[in-house]
Amino acid sequence: IAGITQAPTSQILAAGRRMTLRCTQDMRHNAMYWYRQDLGLGLRLIHYSNTAGTTGKGEVPDGYSVSRANTDDFPLTLASAVPSQTSVYFCASSDSADSGNEQFFGPGTRLTVL
Amino acid sequence: GQNIDQPTEMTATEGAIVQINCTYQTSGFNGLFWYQQHAGEAPTFLSYNVLDGLEEKGRFSSFLSRSKGYSYLLLKELQMKDSASYLCAALDSNYQLIWGAGTKLIIKP
Repeated sequence: IAGITQAPTSQILAAGRRMTLRCTQDMRHNAMYWYRQDLGLGLRLIHYSNTAGTTGKGEVPDGYSVSRANTDDFPLTLASAVPSQTSVYFCASSDSADSGNEQFFGPGTRLTVL
Repeated sequence: GQNIDQPTEMTATEGAIVQINCTYQTSGFNGLFWYQQHAGEAPTFLSYNVLDGLEEKGRFSSFLSRSKGYSYLLLKELQMKDSASYLCAALDSNYQLIWGAGTKLIIKP
């Protein structure tokens, strides 16, 4: 692995189903983030983690949960998917949260909820 | 509230210069980022400004005025591969990025 990876690349999901989007980074970055990107809107922060073992809520956390059991992995779970969660989801990481470090982005997961 | 404004779309000619403006209003301010995003791909970092002034990096330059809540990205000697969306993002007092909707730049030959 080089950088940050996400899986799956794309997914079509029935409303009401549970789904976990995976994110793994090998840069030993402390901070990780989940964003959603919708047409005409800026990236919106869903949840973040400043360091392993801690998580926080972003701008649009409802309907999503995360965990950060170790430095490398930061999965995002939709407990019961709804059509409004149709979006492109990007995972990102940075060396630390409390500075101007750039964020590195994964390739994204395109999720469609029907 | 927190807000980032940038034009939705701009068109420029190959070989020319284009300036993409961004204004921001945030709760506190810890710097301004510019990212490039090609269609269907992830954003990639271009620049970070925290002090007033111009930062030059090859064909790309970024300017910041903290007192005016204003930044711009300057792209010189435009190439067809510069066709992409350019995202402006401000780092607020909690060190969270507030993102603009992006400016889609179309380069014509």
